[in-house]
Amino acid sequence: ELKVEQNPLFLSMQEGKNYTIYCNYSTTSDRLYWYRQDPGKSLESLFVLLSNGAVKQEGRLMASLDTKARLSTLHITAAVHDLSATYFCAVAGYGGSQGNLIFGKGTKLSVKP
Amino acid sequence: EAGVAQSPRYKIIEKRQSVAFWCNPISGHATLYWYQQILGQGPKLLIQFQNNGVVDDSQLPKDRFSAERLKGVDSTLKIQPAKLEDSAVYLCASSFGTPSYNEQFFGPGTRLTVL
Repeated sequence: ELKVEQNPLFLSMQEGKNYTIYCNYSTTSDRLYWYRQDPGKSLESLFVLLSNGAVKQEGRLMASLDTKARLSTLHITAAVHDLSATYFCAVAGYGGSQGNLIFGKGTKLSVKP
Repeated sequence: EAGVAQSPRYKIIEKRQSVAFWCNPISGHATLYWYQQILGQGPKLLIQFQNNGVVDDSQLPKDRFSAERLKGVDSTLKIQPAKLEDSAVYLCASSFGTPSYNEQFFGPGTRLTVL
């Protein structure tokens, strides 16, 4: 059974600081997604990572994937208040359940001035 | 391009009542998903349709939940009768073609409160 663990679950940062959110998953998968969710809103897709060693960057966010370690990271550089949200990683089921995304519990990020 | 539409946005019912949610996916998206997101948790897949056929409903509580996508476009999710633990946000998502490598786009969700 595919399980996805994120840590930390809560993160309070000061503006201008760097930090990393970790996403570990338990079984083989060939796709990993990062989503952002603002309070009361739906999920916004940030990154899709499809291969080992994949790295994608958008603004102050950078995501990477290590399929051998079953680990993805979301790195935040020089945080700003606008990045405050909950971030989810989701891993695609393998084989017959390819459409089934298994989500982590989310990391609630709060960026303070 | 219009996104995934859902209605209603909010619903409050008493336990043992029935409720239905509606979803209209992005035009041309063959695959449609319903997720349940309980407060403080990540979304959990309830059911996945490919056109009008069910691909995966292994986590759908079939004694009280049902879903259909009769013409391969719109979908409805029904709960009958509702329980307190059904209080959650119900998210609809869609993707183009087969699930493999296709990104899912999420609707705004329906927030259900069961009293």
